[in-house]
Amino acid sequence: AQRVTQPEKLLSVFKGAPVELKCNYSYSGSPELFWYVQYSRQRLQLLLRHISRESIKGFTADLNKGETSFHLKKPFAQEEDSAMYYCALSGSSSNTGKLIFGQGTTLQVKP
Amino acid sequence: EAGVAQSPRYKIIEKRQSVAFWCNPISGHATLYWYQQILGQGPKLLIQFQNNGVVDDSQLPKDRFSAERLKGVDSTLKIQPAKLEDSAVYLCASSRTDITTFFGQGTRLTVV
Repeated sequence: AQRVTQPEKLLSVFKGAPVELKCNYSYSGSPELFWYVQYSRQRLQLLLRHISRESIKGFTADLNKGETSFHLKKPFAQEEDSAMYYCALSGSSSNTGKLIFGQGTTLQVKP
Repeated sequence: EAGVAQSPRYKIIEKRQSVAFWCNPISGHATLYWYQQILGQGPKLLIQFQNNGVVDDSQLPKDRFSAERLKGVDSTLKIQPAKLEDSAVYLCASSRTDITTFFGQGTRLTVV
């Protein structure tokens, strides 16, 4: 079955602490993996995709095919990082809007 | 560029009533998606359009949900009759082929 799992509903850290949002997936094939973010009262937006291998707002994510994971990391959390984060996968590089989402993790960064 | 526009933002209806949502994608985006997001869950794809044709509607409950995209631009999603379990946020998204997908603000539907 095709599935994305985010085991934590809520992750609470202090400002300056490292952050790791976990994501595991189940997919037969070579999916594309994404992290989407939704800040308070804003629309869902793309944070990063594994194929780009870039760092956005200090966040990085490495695709581990052996462990079927795509964890999101940031070395030093900022208060403005507080948001809902969704891990998602697409089965096609030419249809990357057709997404399977995880349940989401709320990141709360305390001052 | 202007974002994906959706209306209304909020809707409250009684069960068994009908409701329609409207979406205007970003100009030039051939692909349009409707997602359903139930509270506490991630968005789930309902239907995908490429221009005015349906690409995937495998998860659309066709006994009560319908969607159309006349002229390959705006789209409407309809529910008739609504059930309590249809309470959710309905998200519209659009993209150009393999480029970034952009989401609208969503319509929050409450069925009472």
